[in-house]
Amino acid sequence: EIVLTQSPGTLSLSPGERATLSCRASQSVSSSYLAWYQQKPGQAPRLLIYGASSRATGIPDRFSGSGSGTDFTLTISRLEPEDFAVYYCQQYGSSKTFGQGTKVEIK
Amino acid sequence: EVQLVESGGGLVQPGGSLRLSCAASGFTFSSYWMSWVRQVPGKGLEWVANIKKDGSEKYYVDSVKGRFTISRDNAKNSLYLQMNSLRAEDTAVYYCARDTGAFEIWGQGTMVTVSS
Repeated sequence: EIVLTQSPGTLSLSPGERATLSCRASQSVSSSYLAWYQQKPGQAPRLLIYGASSRATGIPDRFSGSGSGTDFTLTISRLEPEDFAVYYCQQYGSSKTFGQGTKVEIK
Repeated sequence: EVQLVESGGGLVQPGGSLRLSCAASGFTFSSYWMSWVRQVPGKGLEWVANIKKDGSEKYYVDSVKGRFTISRDNAKNSLYLQMNSLRAEDTAVYYCARDTGAFEIWGQGTMVTVSS
C-alpha cells in the first residue's frame, strides 16, 4: 500500500498570502496519478487537481499542482477567504489511498 | 445538474447489516466506475470499494473484504453498498463518488453509526 504523508499538519496564513502544501508518497506514484481535494466543515470533498497538475472543472487558476514520483505540491498563489479549509492528497496509481490532510487556517 | 444522493445510513448494532444506496442523475451513469469513500467524523478519508461500469469488476480495501459488497443497477442509475458484520470501526460518513481514478463528483454523504 502506498502511504501518503502530508505536511505541514496545519498552515496558518493570512488572506493574500501564498500557501504551499506537500504530499510525499512511500513509493513512486505511477503516471503521476495524484489528486488534491478541498474539504470545508460539513461538506463533501471537492476535487481540485488530478494527474498531479491538471485543474478540475471550475477550479480557479490560483490553485496549481506539481510534482512527480514521490513528491507532490499543491500551491495556492493568493489565499482567498473561501480557501481556508482542509486539503487532502490522494493517489490512484496503485489502489487508492489518501493523505491525512493539511488544515489551512486563518492567521 | 450532475448529482449523487446517498441514503440508507443509520444506527446499527455491532454484527448487524445495513444497505446504502446512491442515486445518480445528470450524467450517463453506466459510463463511469463508481466508488464508496468513508470518513470518520473529524478524521481523514478512506476509499472503501469501487465497481466497473458494467459491474464486472469490484475492488475493496482489505478491512472490508468479505463483509461489504458493492453493486450497481445501471437501469436505475443506482449504486449500492451492502454492509454485513458491522464493527464499531465502520462508523463513518459514507460518500459515493464518480470514479475516474480521482473522485470527480461526490454525494453529500450518509452517516453510519455502529454501536450497542
